[in-house]
Amino acid sequence: AQSVSQHNHHVILSEAASLELGCNYSYGGTVNLFWYVQYPGQHLQLLLKYFSGDPLVKGIKGFEAEFIKSKFSFNLRKPSVQWSDTAEYFCAVNARSGNTPLVFGKGTRLSVIA
Amino acid sequence: DADVTQTPRNRITKTGKRIMLECSQTKGHDRMYWYRQDPGLGLRLIYYSFDVKDINKGEISDGYSVSRQAQAKFSLSLESAIPNQTALYFCATSDFSGVPQHFGDGTRLSIL
Repeated sequence: AQSVSQHNHHVILSEAASLELGCNYSYGGTVNLFWYVQYPGQHLQLLLKYFSGDPLVKGIKGFEAEFIKSKFSFNLRKPSVQWSDTAEYFCAVNARSGNTPLVFGKGTRLSVIA
Repeated sequence: DADVTQTPRNRITKTGKRIMLECSQTKGHDRMYWYRQDPGLGLRLIYYSFDVKDINKGEISDGYSVSRQAQAKFSLSLESAIPNQTALYFCATSDFSGVPQHFGDGTRLSIL
C-alpha cells in the first residue's frame, strides 16, 4: 500500500526566507506525485504534479518540487516566501496507472510572518 | 458558479441521526471522491467512484455509505452519526488521470 510522510508539522518563516517542505513516499511501483495547497478557509488546490520526465517540476506561484527517485522524495521548494503563502501544504501520491486514488500526507502548516 | 458544489456547508446534528451530504459537479468528470479532513491527519479517502456503476471503498469507509445518482451527483450518508465523525468533508472530481483537481468548498459537520 502507498503511504506519504511529511516530516514537518508546522513551519514558521519570515517573509523572503527560502522554503523547503519534505515529502517521502512508500510504494513498490511507479508513481505520480503531487503537492496541494489549502489556504485558510478554502478547499485544496493543485500546486504542481509530476508524472514523468524532468524530475524538477515547476508549479504555480513560484513553487517547484524535485523528484529524487533514490530517496523516494518529492520536496517542495520556493526561493522566497510571501505572507500570502501562509497555508497548509499536502503531498500526495498515486500509482502511475492513475487507477488508484490519491493517498495524502498529513500536511504541513506554513506560517509566514512579516 | 462553482464547478463542485457541496450542500450543506455546515451542519450540526445529534448522535444517532442519519445525515446526507450532497455533491454535484459541472465538470463532466466521471470520477468523484469523498474525503474527510481532520486536524493533523490530512485528507483520508472515504469512498470513490470511477463512473456511475462503480463504487469503491476508501481508507475509512466504515460508518459511511454513498450513492452515485448520476454522473454529476455523488452523495455521502452517515446512517447513524457518532461524535468521532465530526470533521470537514470534501467532495472532489477528476478526469481519467485519477488526480482530484476540483474540490468543493467542504461541509463542516459537527455531531454532538
